[in-house]
This record gives sequence, structure tokens and C-alpha cells, in this order.
Amino acid sequence: SYVLTQPPSVSVAPGQTARITCGGNNIGSKSVHWYQQKPGQAPVLVVYDDSDRPSGIPERFSGSNSGNTATLTISRVEAGDEADYYCQVWDSSSDHPYVVFGGGTKLTVL
Amino acid sequence: QVQLQESGPGLVKPSQTLSLTCTVSGGSISSGGYYWSWIRQHPGKGLEWIGYIYYSGSTYYNPSLKSRVTISVDTSKNQFSLKLSSVTAADTAVYYCAREPIAVAGYFDYWGQGTLVTVSS
Repeated sequence: SYVLTQPPSVSVAPGQTARITCGGNNIGSKSVHWYQQKPGQAPVLVVYDDSDRPSGIPERFSGSNSGNTATLTISRVEAGDEADYYCQVWDSSSDHPYVVFGGGTKLTVL
Repeated sequence: QVQLQESGPGLVKPSQTLSLTCTVSGGSISSGGYYWSWIRQHPGKGLEWIGYIYYSGSTYYNPSLKSRVTISVDTSKNQFSLKLSSVTAADTAVYYCAREPIAVAGYFDYWGQGTLVTVSS
């Protein structure tokens, strides 16, 4: 089965840039999507198809994907960005494609 | 604005069947163009996709849960439902319904608020 690996936690000071990685075998060949989840709330899509943003998501959120690593970048981090972040792909490498989520990264704003 | 709302029992006994319904408002399931999914999150853990249904009734399930999962749709009520049989404590989780635009490699653009289901006697 396909595995997505995220660091358990990332810490950043307000105003700085946070980078959250998502590792997977040849993930650069897949479309990666990112979700933000605050405590007690449902996940919210913040980046789709590697680097596109849904309407209403600030330009501070961006994504990239190459080789074995996809990255969610949050510029000018704010206190309100503190949340868990999950990456997601469809694994089409087997006869039975299915959705795979990373284990999640807790972003702490210092 | 599309909204999804889960409903169903919050407590299920071991070995019984978990049943949840997702009611969609602000858009019609019958319009096509989307898959309607169930996703769960174990307490304090990550997300696990359960499966999806198309308005026509076509389904696709996570291979790891396929033997116990049934997803159905009622277009007249604009609802879709999840049944998970033979539940154990390991099925205790927050269950979300979500919409996935049909694409080569889809994402979930709208989610319900989630409902906690506890499996316990």
C-alpha cells in the first residue's frame, strides 16, 4: 500500500514561513491535496492539485510537488494558522485505487 | 453554498451495524459531477477514507473495509448513507461525509461537521 509520511510537528514564529512536507514514493507523479483541520472542526481544503487554491484560501498558502516530496508552504504565518495539516493522494498504483491520507502535521505558532 | 450534515446514533454496540446518513443541501446529488464519500477519523488520529457513491448508485470502497461497508444513495431525499457491519471498538471514530469533484485524482472540497460514533456495550 502507498504510504504518505509527514513530520508530526512543525513550529514557526508569527510572520515567518512554515513548510510542511509530505513524502511518498514518486509522489511527484501524483496530484497532492492539502487540508487544514482545527480542533473540533472538519478538515478544510487549502491546496488541491499540488498548487491550486480554492476560492477563499489566502495566497499565503501554496504548494509544490516534485520527486518524492510534496510541500505545503504557509507564508507570513498567523496565529490562526495553528492547526493540523494533512496531505492526500489517490493511489492508482494497484488494481484497486484508493484514497490515502498522510498522518498529519501539527503546526504550532510560537 | 453546499452543506453536508451527518446524522445517526452516537453509540453502537459491538458486533452490530453502524448506520449514518448524510443530508446534502445547497446542491443536488442527482446533478452529477461529484462522488459522495465517507471518511472517518479515530480519536486523536489521522483520516481514513471509507468509500464513495455516485448518484447512479455506483460505489467504490476502501479495500481494507470493503467486506463490511455498504454505501447507498436516496436521490429523492438528497441523502446518502453508510452502513458498517460487525463493528468493534476499533470503529470508534468521528465520521465525516464529504463531496469529491469527479477528476483524475480527486480531492474533497466540502465536508460535513462530523459525528462521533462510539462502539461500546
